[in-house]
Amino acid sequence: AQSVTQPDARVTVSEGASLQLRCKYSYSGTPYLFWYVQYPRQGLQLLLKYYSGDPVVQGVNGFEAEFIKSNSSFHLRKASVHWSDSAVYFCAVSAGSGGSNYKLTFGKGTLLTVTP
Amino acid sequence: NAGVIQTPRHKVTGKGQEATLWCEPISGHSAVFWYRQTIVQGLEFLTYFRNQAPIDDSGMPKERFSAQMPNQSHSTLKIQSTQPQDSAVYLCASSPQGAGQNTLYFGAGTRLSVL
Repeated sequence: AQSVTQPDARVTVSEGASLQLRCKYSYSGTPYLFWYVQYPRQGLQLLLKYYSGDPVVQGVNGFEAEFIKSNSSFHLRKASVHWSDSAVYFCAVSAGSGGSNYKLTFGKGTLLTVTP
Repeated sequence: NAGVIQTPRHKVTGKGQEATLWCEPISGHSAVFWYRQTIVQGLEFLTYFRNQAPIDDSGMPKERFSAQMPNQSHSTLKIQSTQPQDSAVYLCASSPQGAGQNTLYFGAGTRLSVL
């Protein structure tokens, strides 16, 4: 079974600063990895995903993430945050070629607050 | 495209009452998922339908929870004899296919409050 750890429940950064949200996963095979964002009173929206190829993947709104297999990590980054990036960010994993690869396992989420 | 539509947005029930939550997936999507979101547990998988057929209900509490998908345009999650611990946001998602690399499109959720 797979699992995801997001060690930071809350992160606060100043507008214009760079950002890294940490994610570590546990899965014995090659996983599919995702970052989703949830704005207040809305459902989750996909930021980016990785399942093969270049380990650095680009997403929407200037976000990117890097898959580091040796470290079982998939950290999310952004060079310069905007106040509108304030939201809850979820890292998720599904089994790559496993039979139940439809099932996403989510981390507990990181609440990002961007201050003026 | 209106996205995944969930109704109602907020439902309040008394302990022991029944709650039915509705989900309209995106037209043409063959996979439908239900997740439960709480502060303590985070996002928990409940159940999955593909082409309206139930595939995996391993996350469903067995005794009081049931889910159906009678046609391709809607799915329901029914909770009988609701308990305070059922209070949560219930999220429905759909996907073009059930494969793991596909994007899930989530609805805004139904917040269930059991008094």
